[in-house]
Amino acid sequence: DSGVTQTPKHLITATGQRVTLRCSPRSGDLSVYWYQQSLDQGLQFLIHYYNGEERAKGNILERFSAQQFPDLHSELNLSSLELGDSALYFCASSVQRGASTGELFFGEGSRLTVL
Amino acid sequence: AQSVAQPEDQVNVAEGNPLTVKCTYSVSGNPYLFWYVQYPNRGLQFLLKYITGDNLVKGSYGFEAEFNKSQTSFHLKKPSALVSDSALYFCAVRKGGGSQGNLIFGKGTKLSVKP
Repeated sequence: DSGVTQTPKHLITATGQRVTLRCSPRSGDLSVYWYQQSLDQGLQFLIHYYNGEERAKGNILERFSAQQFPDLHSELNLSSLELGDSALYFCASSVQRGASTGELFFGEGSRLTVL
Repeated sequence: AQSVAQPEDQVNVAEGNPLTVKCTYSVSGNPYLFWYVQYPNRGLQFLLKYITGDNLVKGSYGFEAEFNKSQTSFHLKKPSALVSDSALYFCAVRKGGGSQGNLIFGKGTKLSVKP
């Protein structure tokens, strides 16, 4: 158990809909990362938050947004869903302070299926 | 820009034989290198990392990896494979030196260990 919690584990929805994925990082971790894993694209970095502030953006679509709240949990919002958004979405956290070497600890993922 | 290449989509090994999963990287400056393993329907689990020091690093479950700066490689190895090692393996790189950028992952290599 990595200590990172993601909900829901599975989600089935229709095209055009909006969903929210939630992540609770390990206790004490200030950084949260979101990754998308699909068969054709592999593991793609979406976005990174540190202590409530956006730090880096990767291949995140404009239809997607994220935020990190004062209690450090994070949400990834996916809107106007398309079939191609079906994927496994991972949240990861890290300590990211001092001499941290930055290995990430991953949650179990949220599997999104868009029909 | 940082990048990671895992040249083999799949590696097949007989149980008890040594295994190698290859990884090469490209990053400006000193790299921080990582290996992760993903079992079916699970999140990524951290195996080992190279930050500095000895080029041979040891990690979880008997795995080790050798950092080769001249060849920009960080191959994962295990002296004697187990059937339970069958999984998807990801190499990742981050630029070192204190900056806390996100991890960039390779596309993954599926390891299949047959009895």
